[in-house]
Amino acid sequence: DAGVIQSPRHEVTEMGQEVTLRCKPISGHDYLFWYRQTMMRGLELLIYFNNNVPIDDSGMPEDRFSAKMPNASFSTLKIQPSEPRDSAVYFCASTPGLANAYNEQFFGPGTRLTVL
Amino acid sequence: QQQVKQSPQSLIVQKGGISIINCAYENTAFDYFPWYQQFPGKGPALLIAIRPDVSEKKEGRFTISFNKSAKQFSLHIMDSQPGDSATYFCAASLNDYKLSFGAGTTVTVRA
Repeated sequence: DAGVIQSPRHEVTEMGQEVTLRCKPISGHDYLFWYRQTMMRGLELLIYFNNNVPIDDSGMPEDRFSAKMPNASFSTLKIQPSEPRDSAVYFCASTPGLANAYNEQFFGPGTRLTVL
Repeated sequence: QQQVKQSPQSLIVQKGGISIINCAYENTAFDYFPWYQQFPGKGPALLIAIRPDVSEKKEGRFTISFNKSAKQFSLHIMDSQPGDSATYFCAASLNDYKLSFGAGTTVTVRA
């Protein structure tokens, strides 16, 4: 398996523009997570899905952020409009969600977003 | 408000030495405590994890010690190697999925 795939790997945009980050989880994994990593705030969970349904979006910073999972193999995180403070590395992760197991979250390589 | 406090922020250890990273939590309902390792430019990867029904778990050179009464847990890296140089994150969760991460510890192993 290729692991979790994220695109683009780098994104540079100007303030006010819409940004869409994409993620393909590992096949067969029922849970998908979006994280944001910054020096100031560390690694933060933004939202996670189970079987394509959002379970907890309490980490989404504000209404400018939205996430969708239209099917089991694809998810997007959209920021509209983007602001310089959104600059961060955004990670997608997935896990199978097995009972009585350590549910390791497999992280993708991340998307480094820079908002000018 | 950070639910998991991690220290130190960074540490330097000689090759062959022991690295110790400490974490403390407040929520007694947490029941899953993983440690993730992250190399520059990569996503975090699970290193080792423990549940509160055991006080210690060892996998190779990596050991988690867990103190439920003190609400603390720690990672020990024995015989540290230059390849262990990375950032380590502790985390805690109620349900295996909603992880609260510590701030991270950058470990540098000098040859």
